[in-house]
Amino acid sequence: DARVTQTPRHKVTEMGQEVTMRCQPILGHNTVFWYRQTMMQGLELLAYFRNRAPLDDSGMPKDRFSAEMPDATLATLKIQPSEPRDSAVYFCASGLSTGNQPQHFGDGTRLSIL
Amino acid sequence: AQSVTQLGSHVSVSEGALVLLRCNYSSSVPPYLFWYVQYPNQGLQLLLKYTTGATLVKGINGFEAEFKKSETSFHLTKPSAHMSDAAEYFCAVTQSQGNLIFGKGTKLSVKP
Repeated sequence: DARVTQTPRHKVTEMGQEVTMRCQPILGHNTVFWYRQTMMQGLELLAYFRNRAPLDDSGMPKDRFSAEMPDATLATLKIQPSEPRDSAVYFCASGLSTGNQPQHFGDGTRLSIL
Repeated sequence: AQSVTQLGSHVSVSEGALVLLRCNYSSSVPPYLFWYVQYPNQGLQLLLKYTTGATLVKGINGFEAEFKKSETSFHLTKPSAHMSDAAEYFCAVTQSQGNLIFGKGTKLSVKP
């Protein structure tokens, strides 16, 4: 089965450091989503791309977060500088652009900012 | 705007008992509805989806859900719970752009 691949699976770093999370979407999927999951807020949509173009990043703190798709096989989410409140599990999902198709999730990056 | 409400953040059942997880949605257009399951330390996995057609939808692991337009509901059921069903379950509705609106999730515990 095709899968969304996220790296790293775990990341522990100190406050102020840059964090980069990577996602390889399923081949042929043209839409990529970034989510953040915490106990307090649940699942939050941070940003999403269609055909590599950003469609909506309104869920993302603009001053420190950035998301890009350098090519169709790679999406990145960067945090610079990181803060303890960024500690969460970050999920990438990919899918097709029609609403009746499901999103396929990766296993997430568990981020801890000390 | 679309939204999803999952009643009950925690549900506990005995092994072999009926599982019922509730989901209500609001949508100004015919919705596409999904149930996902999340096991510990894993991403969300699709259980089932409703797009059009038959309102009773069967999914993986013996789960099914019924779309009831008059009640704006999409409750998830399983006749007999198994220990392996313990997980968190998310109901979601899709917006026109294809992005999902998720409920806050329901954690299912299964007692032996």
